[in-house]
Amino acid sequence: SQTIHQWPATLVQPVGSPLSLECTVEGTSNPNLYWYRQAAGRGLQLLFYSVGIGQISSEVPQNLSASRPQDRQFILSSKKLLLSDSGFYLCAWSPLWGTEAFFGQGTRLTVV
Amino acid sequence: DAKTTQPTSMDCAEGRAANLPCNHSTISGNEYVYWYRQIHSQGPQYIIHGLKNNETNEMASLIITEDRKSSTLILPHATLRDTAVYYCIVRVGVTGGGNKLTFGTGTQLKVEL
Repeated sequence: SQTIHQWPATLVQPVGSPLSLECTVEGTSNPNLYWYRQAAGRGLQLLFYSVGIGQISSEVPQNLSASRPQDRQFILSSKKLLLSDSGFYLCAWSPLWGTEAFFGQGTRLTVV
Repeated sequence: DAKTTQPTSMDCAEGRAANLPCNHSTISGNEYVYWYRQIHSQGPQYIIHGLKNNETNEMASLIITEDRKSSTLILPHATLRDTAVYYCIVRVGVTGGGNKLTFGTGTQLKVEL
């Protein structure tokens, strides 16, 4: 069966520090991969999605970047965190020609 | 993208049916309606999806109007564990297939004793 791993579960980082969140999927190949962010009390905002290795589409201009170095690995990064980067970050995958998306358990990032 | 409109919040008594409405008046003919839910501090969970026919699975039923401009998610016997934010979204295709899912603000369903 397919599983998605996202870590860490919680993270507290100072303003100006770098960020690297990793997401991996097991049990499938060629998945579509997504990064979402949810600010406190708000809905889910799609940040990036990827349909293949090295193929990244950005939905909103921001202080973050994403990379897909391997088929089932999706990384969210920042060189210098801002206070506004705080939030709940979720990684998700869907089959290449599939329907529903499956989400990880999320990383709660607090920038202080 | 077809946008969706949902009530901000709803209450439901435990054991009763919860009927969650969604408007998607600009939906295209080949776009599906998806429902997800998010329990507090967890990732969203897929519930059900449909194109134009009504659908049912072990979690819920989805009723789509004939003109496809609105739909209703039905939880037949709501329990306290169904308390969550419910998202109605419309599938948008991306290059290479699959789907790009854009979430709105959803409906906060509160199931009470």
